[in-house]
Amino acid sequence: TQLLEQSPQFLSIQEGENLTVYCNSSSVFSSLQWYRQEPGEGPVLLVTVVTGGEVKKLKRLTFQFGDARKDSSLHITAAQPGDTGLYLCAGPLYNNNDMRFGAGTRLTVKP
Amino acid sequence: NAGVTQTPKFRVLKTGQSMTLLCAQDMNHEYMYWYRQDPGMGLRLIHYSVGEGTTAKGEVPDGYNVSRLKKQNFLLGLESAAPSQTSVYFCASSSGGNEQFFGPGTRLTVL
Repeated sequence: TQLLEQSPQFLSIQEGENLTVYCNSSSVFSSLQWYRQEPGEGPVLLVTVVTGGEVKKLKRLTFQFGDARKDSSLHITAAQPGDTGLYLCAGPLYNNNDMRFGAGTRLTVKP
Repeated sequence: NAGVTQTPKFRVLKTGQSMTLLCAQDMNHEYMYWYRQDPGMGLRLIHYSVGEGTTAKGEVPDGYNVSRLKKQNFLLGLESAAPSQTSVYFCASSSGGNEQFFGPGTRLTVL
């Protein structure tokens, strides 16, 4: 079983739609990170959330850290084909060197 | 700056063969990491290093060895490859903060 469970596993939507993907755990994390990975490339960090209840915005992307620091969500407004990719959440298990990743949500945005 | 580079990009091995994957970073980062990425599993940490001459085990270290003889290089070795080691391998580096910078990956197939 994954320490960080991501849902949905796959998501295919039309350009302009809104969507939310989730990252859940039974463990408390000191912080959680969201990465985006495109085919043939390594993941790229989008955001780090560190405070329970924190909301961070990155253009059309809104990230939220749960009050209990066990879960996080990523909301995309008016999705565009350029948002297509694998979205991964990750959190430090014991320290910042021991990052645990979820299996990811593979998003496809059709024009 | 090239960032994090990995060689080779692709490799096919027969069971029992050995090989070394090379990771190089030009950002003067102290911390370096090796992950493997498998479908439905996300990224899993194999080994990491907090500085030149030091290494530590991650989540899935069995069957792999690493060396950090120079600050800019982190080598991952497979002494006797097995089909279960077929995967995409990613190297990453960090200055010790939250953000890890990933290389483009090495796709390894063990027959």
